[in-house]
Amino acid sequence: AQKITQTQPGMFVQEKEAVTLDCTYDTSDQSYGLFWYKQPSSGEMIFLIYQGSYDEQNATEGRYSLNFQKARKSANLVISASQLGDSAMYFCAMSLKADRGSTLGRLYFGRGTQLTVWP
Amino acid sequence: DAGVTQSPTHLIKTRGQQVTLRCSPISGHKSVSWYQQVLGQGPQFIFQYYEKEERGRGNFPDRFSARQFPNYSSELNVNALLLGDSALYLCASSRGRGTDTQYFGPGTRLTVL
Repeated sequence: AQKITQTQPGMFVQEKEAVTLDCTYDTSDQSYGLFWYKQPSSGEMIFLIYQGSYDEQNATEGRYSLNFQKARKSANLVISASQLGDSAMYFCAMSLKADRGSTLGRLYFGRGTQLTVWP
Repeated sequence: DAGVTQSPTHLIKTRGQQVTLRCSPISGHKSVSWYQQVLGQGPQFIFQYYEKEERGRGNFPDRFSARQFPNYSSELNVNALLLGDSALYLCASSRGRGTDTQYFGPGTRLTVL
């Protein structure tokens, strides 16, 4: 069974500081993708960053980077230079890719981490 | 380019009623997925459609059904509403391959009284 675990219900960080949000995953599949989404209080799920299971380099997107440690099955999100607008719920998610290209786009989500950035 | 759109934004229904939620994917995306997010939890997968065919179904009762139209838009129907169906319903679109990024719409917030 596929599972995503986010052990930090809430995190606090001061503006301009860096913060790491933890995510571990469990799957026996070899081909999968890992995602981070941001959900402000408005409810919309905003895509931040993606890491493929065969990618050798850690993914980066602007102030977001994904610390991918495959052997430990962890995919932590690092936000550098936090801004007040980063305050939101953050979800780690995983999808699997079936053999021979068939689509298995289902996302498995963790419970999320509420990030609060203070001035 | 326009993102994923969903309608309506909010909906209030009473127990036993039926509801239809609508979703239009990003232009060029052929896959639509539906998720239910209850307060305090991560989204739970309900359905995925690709090229008008159901490609996956989550652990939801038969009261939940969906379809995808030739223009790739989608509808989610829920019959015989229960109080526990109150949630944010999110639609996501993607090109369709397994680990393609899914882009979400703003959601429909359903309240069942």
